[in-house]
Amino acid sequence: QKEVEQDPGPLSVPEGAIVSLNCTYSNSAFQYFMWYRQYSRKGPELLMYTYSSGNKEDGRFTAQVDKSSKYISLFIRDSQPSDSATYLCAMSQGGSYIPTFGRGTSLIVHP
Amino acid sequence: DAGVIQSPRHEVTEMGQEVTLRCKPISGHDYLFWYRQTMMRGLELLIYFNNNVPIDDSGMPEDRFSAKMPNASFSTLKIQPSEPRDSAVYFCASSSRGRPGPGEQFFGPGTRLTVL
Repeated sequence: QKEVEQDPGPLSVPEGAIVSLNCTYSNSAFQYFMWYRQYSRKGPELLMYTYSSGNKEDGRFTAQVDKSSKYISLFIRDSQPSDSATYLCAMSQGGSYIPTFGRGTSLIVHP
Repeated sequence: DAGVIQSPRHEVTEMGQEVTLRCKPISGHDYLFWYRQTMMRGLELLIYFNNNVPIDDSGMPEDRFSAKMPNASFSTLKIQPSEPRDSAVYFCASSSRGRPGPGEQFFGPGTRLTVL
């Protein structure tokens, strides 16, 4: 079993839908939980991150962490075709600068 | 800032040839990472450097792969001899311990390698 599991998709939704992307993990030492977005033929870019448990909101994006279940989520409200990309979760231990990445979920938002 | 620079952007070579990928990290960053990305395996960490010193190369697939960082502004990843199964997108990323937070990684545009 990999340390971080993520369904590769693809996940196809209509414009305006609420999208839920998820990852599970096995290492209870993870403290930072990140979401990277990767457009086609580009490198990943950090979208947002949370430290420890709880929620974080940034515009249409909300990141949630449930450490008791070892489960993290990224919600996208009012999804747009421009949100079409691969979303990679990543996690690291506190004080470490070395993240462990999930495989990424391919999201397609169609007009 | 120009961001992380990688060259070449595309490389097509024949099996058995030597391939050299190049990376220029963001100025001032003290960590440099080499990744390989495929549909089957996702993003795999090959090796990373801290202050130009290789710290962990456990992700390097085999002895055919080698990486160097002769100075803070340049790194290479070499494959010799190359094989078709090495076909993938290779990313270089850099980060700075001086920034608060999780150590955001800044990725280059990648090198798409095809080995025939």
